[in-house]
Amino acid sequence: DTGVSQDPRHKITKRGQNVTFRCDPISEHNRLYWYRQTLGQGPEFLTYFQNEAQLEKSRLLSDRFSAERPKGSFSTLEIQRTEQGDSAMYLCASSLGTGNNEQFFGPGTRLTVL
Amino acid sequence: GEDVEQSLFLSVREGDSSVINCTYTDSSSTYLYWYKQEPGAGLQLLTYIFSNMDMKQDQRLTVLLNKKDKHLSLRIADTQTGDSAIYFCADGNTGGFKTIFGAGTRLFVKA
Repeated sequence: DTGVSQDPRHKITKRGQNVTFRCDPISEHNRLYWYRQTLGQGPEFLTYFQNEAQLEKSRLLSDRFSAERPKGSFSTLEIQRTEQGDSAMYLCASSLGTGNNEQFFGPGTRLTVL
Repeated sequence: GEDVEQSLFLSVREGDSSVINCTYTDSSSTYLYWYKQEPGAGLQLLTYIFSNMDMKQDQRLTVLLNKKDKHLSLRIADTQTGDSAIYFCADGNTGGFKTIFGAGTRLFVKA
């Protein structure tokens, strides 16, 4: 499978715990994006990487959220001290960054905070 | 900040045309996109239009862009039950690294 993969697909955690999600983009894609999607809403931009550089973070992203892409390949998104409001689908996408910049989305990680 | 708005629901009969509308606020949009999300599946790019175009046709899909009014529409001809999904309008601004999505239009196709 040469698409974008995300792990885990589902995560249930208790409030206050830390969680980490992983995204493996399409191998030749240099751009990687994280989004959050809640029920009935479209994907909400969280952050973006060009290779290993994190170039933009949403103002909505609190300091409990951190993302890395250490070697310009896979990326991790960590949420510290989770809150019930963090429950959502976390989507990763990647793109070549050329032409129409089509983003290819992974299946998402569904986070439930109890 | 930038915003994208869409109507939430659309119901059509099989064989009819569907028109999904979207408005956006960003003046620096480079590309405007339509993504499709089927139940249990990820988002897939359906079609897109460059901001200096008025219309783009791709088989059963027609995209119309009114840049003056910041209005985008997607027309699906001969709508089939397999077209039932959520359709997201998205605005890719200059540089294309931050894409703003609408809330999605849920299309129901009745047989």
